[in-house]
Amino acid sequence: KAGVTQTPRYLIKTRGQQVTLSCSPISGHRSVSWYQQTPGQGLQFLFEYFSETQRNKGNFPGRFSGRQFSNSRSEMNVSTLELGDSALYLCASSLFGQGEETQYFGPGTRLLVL
Amino acid sequence: AQKVTQAQTEISVVEKEDVTLDCVYETRDTTYYLFWYKQPPSGELVFLIRRNSFDEQNEISGRYSWNFQKSTSSFNFTITASQVVDSAVYFCALSEAWGGGNKLTFGTGTQLKVEL
Repeated sequence: KAGVTQTPRYLIKTRGQQVTLSCSPISGHRSVSWYQQTPGQGLQFLFEYFSETQRNKGNFPGRFSGRQFSNSRSEMNVSTLELGDSALYLCASSLFGQGEETQYFGPGTRLLVL
Repeated sequence: AQKVTQAQTEISVVEKEDVTLDCVYETRDTTYYLFWYKQPPSGELVFLIRRNSFDEQNEISGRYSWNFQKSTSSFNFTITASQVVDSAVYFCALSEAWGGGNKLTFGTGTQLKVEL
């Protein structure tokens, strides 16, 4: 089975721009979660989608948003980029998004905001 | 609120030494799940193990072993006879059974460097 894939792998943007990141989960997985990893804050949960609905959200400003499509693929969007948004964005998938399930992570998208 | 603490920021060992990575967690739930992930320089988080709060049996997988002690809220990870390929950042994480979905709360990670 193919793993979680994320595109693009690297991205450079300037402050004020917006960016869209994409994630394709493992085939059959319906839950997709997004995490932000920075040296200062570590790994932080952004949000989780299941059946095209956001079920859980972390403590991030409204500039961070996401969506999920009927094929379970997910996108996250960051508007009005700030320097502090530079991070590794990781996507993870699991079957139903239950606490006992293992989440499998993609390779991440490295975003640099200049 | 749940919390995971990995007090060891960085550990350096010489190949073939045994090394233990510590993980202490806090949660008010009686049912919860603990995980260890490995992050090599490429960035992808690689799943290593999952343990639920009702199963305190230690587990061994090859050179890896895990010691779960509910009494001390710890879930420590030991690598026996470490190898250079074990060099990575290791994260301990926690998810709760109710209300949190599968949101993972991560520790700050332990950078393991294995040298020849």
